[in-house]
Amino acid sequence: AQRVTQPEKLLSVFKGAPVELKCNYSYSGSPELFWYVQYSRQRLQLLLRHISRESIKGFTADLNKGETSFHLKKPFAQEEDSAMYYCALSSGSGNTGKLIFGQGTTLQVKP
Amino acid sequence: NAGVTQTPKFQVLKTGQSMTLQCAQDMNHNSMYWYRQDPGMGLRLIYYSASEGTTDKGEVPNGYNVSRLNKREFSLRLESAAPSQTSVYFCASPIYNGANVLTFGAGSRLTVL
Repeated sequence: AQRVTQPEKLLSVFKGAPVELKCNYSYSGSPELFWYVQYSRQRLQLLLRHISRESIKGFTADLNKGETSFHLKKPFAQEEDSAMYYCALSSGSGNTGKLIFGQGTTLQVKP
Repeated sequence: NAGVTQTPKFQVLKTGQSMTLQCAQDMNHNSMYWYRQDPGMGLRLIYYSASEGTTDKGEVPNGYNVSRLNKREFSLRLESAAPSQTSVYFCASPIYNGANVLTFGAGSRLTVL
């Protein structure tokens, strides 16, 4: 079965500390993976996708097919990074918006 | 540039009451989706519509019905609300036709007493 697992409900770090939000997936084909973020009182929005291989707001994520992981990393956390983060996988063949989401991780960055 | 608009933003219902959540997108896109967000569960797909006039079940369709009467609007109906349907509901549409990156509405917080 296709599944996305985010093992941490809450991750609390101090400003300037490195951050790693974990995401593991199970999928039988070639996955397309995403990180979405929801800041307080804002809409859920795309942070980054693995095929773009880009850094957004200092965050990066590398798809590791051997470990079936797509962890989100940032070397120095900022207070404005505090938000709910969801890892998601595209479940359909081709392009489709049918996403499977993980449980979400709340990132709390303390001053 | 509204993108995806949902109404209402908040609603309180009693068990057994019915209501419809409305969603509209101004991007002229084919696909639209309804998700629910629950603590510890992430977002789960309720129903989706690949094009005007078509709808399909997602992961958690029980207790819901949908209508895609035109390209712009996709409504979600609870015929007989239950406390288990207390949730935040999100409507979404791709950022462009065929994309699997979604743009979301602001959400509708529903409480069923």
